[in-house]
Amino acid sequence: EPEVTQTPSHQVTQMGQEVILRCVPISNHLYFYWYRQILGQKVEFLVSFYNNEISEKSEIFDDQFSVERPDGSNFTLKIRSTKLEDSAMYFCAGAVGTASTDTQYFGPGTRLTVL
Amino acid sequence: GEDVEQSLFLSVREGDSSVINCTYTDSSSTYLYWYKQEPGAGLQLLTYIFSNMDMKQDQRLTVLLNKKDKHLSLRIADTQTGDSAIYFCAETPTGTASKLTFGTGTRLQVTL
Repeated sequence: EPEVTQTPSHQVTQMGQEVILRCVPISNHLYFYWYRQILGQKVEFLVSFYNNEISEKSEIFDDQFSVERPDGSNFTLKIRSTKLEDSAMYFCAGAVGTASTDTQYFGPGTRLTVL
Repeated sequence: GEDVEQSLFLSVREGDSSVINCTYTDSSSTYLYWYKQEPGAGLQLLTYIFSNMDMKQDQRLTVLLNKKDKHLSLRIADTQTGDSAIYFCAETPTGTASKLTFGTGTRLQVTL
């Protein structure tokens, strides 16, 4: 069964550094998402992406964050200047469509630690 | 905004039934989901229910929805040690089918 993959599994960075989190969605998916989970807190929606554009973003997704799908397979989340509070597990997800019956398939997550 | 709440921890003995509860605030929720997260793994969709349904059964899983009280539950029959995981309730409001709003997750511990 096809899976969503994410790399790296764990990223440690210094505050102020840029990080890029990578995701390879399932090949027939057209809608892509990033969520994050700060330790002990809820899984929070960050952004959705379709047809090379952001469809929706949360208030967390400020101008320090960006997403792109540079080559038609990878889907990346960039944080330009990391802060301590960006430390979290970041999940990528994909779906065939946006109907409520279209399941979002999640990757295993990247744990980001900002020191 | 939408809010989804769950109790944080549940411990059951192997072979017993587990019931994980969830409450939500958004009355326009159209679909409600249960996801399972095993250690080191992503979020795996277990089941979902439409807001116009009261119950859905899928093998050992039974989902009950009380729309009046905005209460959702997941019952796992004959709970096994492999069911130990974190279970997340999530909802999608009408008109925003793409974004999932998650609860805090309930950690299910199955003891022998």
